Amino acid sequence: GIQVEQSPPDLILQEGANSTLRCNFSDSVNNLQWFHQNPWGQLINLFYIPSGTKQNGRLSATTVATERYSLLYISSSQTTDSGVYFCAVSNTGKLIFGQGTTLQVKP
Amino acid sequence: GAVVSQHPSRVICKSGTSVKIECRSLDFQATTMFWYRQFPKQSLMLMATSNEGSKATYEQGVEKDKFLINHASLTLSTLTVTSAHPEDSSFYICSARVLAGSTGELFFGEGSRLTVL
Repeated sequence: GIQVEQSPPDLILQEGANSTLRCNFSDSVNNLQWFHQNPWGQLINLFYIPSGTKQNGRLSATTVATERYSLLYISSSQTTDSGVYFCAVSNTGKLIFGQGTTLQVKP
Repeated sequence: GAVVSQHPSRVICKSGTSVKIECRSLDFQATTMFWYRQFPKQSLMLMATSNEGSKATYEQGVEKDKFLINHASLTLSTLTVTSAHPEDSSFYICSARVLAGSTGELFFGEGSRLTVL
């Protein structure tokens, strides 16, 4: 099955800093989503981005499908951005998750 | 975005009992729903695909007799953990997509945290 690798596994930032999270996948996909899991476990949909670039406020994402990777950019990070960020992909209808990046933003 | 709701959000049960978790799509119909399990500090692992009006399909290594899935309507799927044991304690999350078929954005419920004593 398809493999999903996220990097870095852990990231500590000072408030106001920018960061880039990466997601590599092993096969072509027709679905790629980025999520933020809050402390209560809820998965918040950030982007549905099987290809191209999207922006939503301080967050943006780019997927280069031909090279099998996606990037999530967080600018001017805030303490509320802390949590786990997951990339998940699919080419069968079933979404497969990476191991996540745990982000801690310090005030 | 579309709303998927789970109930209960937390449940504590004794070893050997069965627990039912409901997953509802509140503002759309879902012919297919997906059930995931997440252990502490780990990622989400797909357990099974719930298909309205037919049998669920389970991922390799998931016991279908232990995790009973019923998808009786286009807005409701249930997961029953039968004869629960402490090792079944986990966070169970369901998801669904608005569009029928294999593409399109998936939306997730709030999750149900099961603790088996």
